[in-house]
Amino acid sequence: EVQLVETGGGLVQPGKSLKLTCATSGFTFSNAWMDWVRQSPEKQLEWVAQIKDKSNNYATYYAESVKGRFTISRDDSKSSVYLQMNSLKEEDTAIYYCTVASAYWGQGTLVTVSS
Amino acid sequence: DIQMTQSPSFLSASVGDRVTINCKASQNINKYLNWYQQKLGEAPKLLIYNTNNLQTGIPSRFSGSGSGTDYTLTISSLQPEDVATYFCLQHSSRPRTFGGGTKLELK
Repeated sequence: EVQLVETGGGLVQPGKSLKLTCATSGFTFSNAWMDWVRQSPEKQLEWVAQIKDKSNNYATYYAESVKGRFTISRDDSKSSVYLQMNSLKEEDTAIYYCTVASAYWGQGTLVTVSS
Repeated sequence: DIQMTQSPSFLSASVGDRVTINCKASQNINKYLNWYQQKLGEAPKLLIYNTNNLQTGIPSRFSGSGSGTDYTLTISSLQPEDVATYFCLQHSSRPRTFGGGTKLELK
């Protein structure tokens, strides 16, 4: 059974940093392309970032809204993907989901950016 | 970026009704279109991938169609458990983009 579990969310002040973790199981993680997607309080879904597998040189892609502030990474030995979020803004407030092939999603972790 | 315009944004229907939800892309997405169901407090769940392929375990009353810029999700006979918000996603190009959602309620 495919499982994805996101952790690391919380309340953070604007300008601060937070690192999200997505631990996975039930599929061959090392071959998978992983994405982070977020859902705003208004329920709009927004793709955030993607990381490809080793055979694709771990290429990464970002939404313009987070480029230069967020970094996606992975550790194949731990079957985990990460999202380092720096210089957070109030508009980054959302539930953050990790997904594999846009098919399987975790339960999400809530990030609230507020002073 | 490819814009996804989803309609209607709200839909009220009765049990047994045939329901259709539409997504229109701002350019050709070559059938790289997924449909998701999201129930209150849950993560989105994949229903249909690449326009018309039913995800494993999804009831056959759900189906998808379309090509080019226009895509449709159809529920052939609405059931009470289908009350949810439905989203489309284009994965033809980056950035991936979602439709604005259709909230489906029972009449």
